[in-house]
Amino acid sequence: GQQVMQIPQYQHVQEGEDFTTYCNSSTTLSNIQWYKQRPGGHPVFLIQLVKSGEVKKQKRLTFQFGEAKKNSSLHITATQTTDVGTYFCAGDGSGGGADGLTFGKGTHLIIQP
Amino acid sequence: DGGITQSPKYLFRKEGQNVTLSCEQNLNHDAMYWYRQDPGQGLRLIYYSQIVNDFQKGDIAEGYSVSREKKESFPLTVTSAQKNPTAFYLCASKTRTNTGELFFGEGSRLTVL
Repeated sequence: GQQVMQIPQYQHVQEGEDFTTYCNSSTTLSNIQWYKQRPGGHPVFLIQLVKSGEVKKQKRLTFQFGEAKKNSSLHITATQTTDVGTYFCAGDGSGGGADGLTFGKGTHLIIQP
Repeated sequence: DGGITQSPKYLFRKEGQNVTLSCEQNLNHDAMYWYRQDPGQGLRLIYYSQIVNDFQKGDIAEGYSVSREKKESFPLTVTSAQKNPTAFYLCASKTRTNTGELFFGEGSRLTVL
C-alpha cells in the first residue's frame, strides 16, 4: 500500500530560526495536504497542494509539491513560539475521493526561546 | 456552530471490555473517518464511511467495529479482540469534493487498565 515518510521526527530550533519538514510518498499522489496539531489538540488543516511543482505561501509558511508529485515540504521562516506542534503531511492517492488519506508520522517542532 | 463532537474525551476501561466512542457531526459531510494516533506513529486509518449504511476497513481495522445508521453519526467500538487498545482516537469528516480537507474532532483518549 501507499506509504508516506516524513522527516525529521523531531526538530529543535531557537526562536527566530527557520524550520523545514520533508515528506516523501512511495507512489504518485493526486494531492497532498498539511496539518498542524498543537500539543494536546487535534490536527487542523493548513493547506492542500494539487499541481506538480506547486508552491503556496501562508505568511511565514511555504509549502511545495514536487514535480513528480511524490514529495513535499513545509518551510517556516523565523519560527515563533506559536509554531510549536506536530506537522503532518497526508497524501491522497485516490484522485480526491473519500477513501481516506495516508498520513506521515509527523515532525515535532520544539522551539527554545 | 458546525463541527465534530467526540465523546467521551477520556475513558478508562478494564481489559476485555468493549468500548464505544461517539462521533457526531453537523457539517452535512458525507464521508467520515476514524483514525488512531499513537506516539511516534502518526495517524492510522481504522474505518471510513462514504455514505449512510456503508463503511470500509482502513489499514488497522482488526479489533474494531463501526456503524453508520445516520449521516451525522459514526460510532466506533473497540472490542476485546483489539490487542493494544490504549490510544488517542480521532474522528474526522469531509465532503465528497476534490477539496478533501479533513475536519477533526477533539479526540477520545482511551486507556485500558
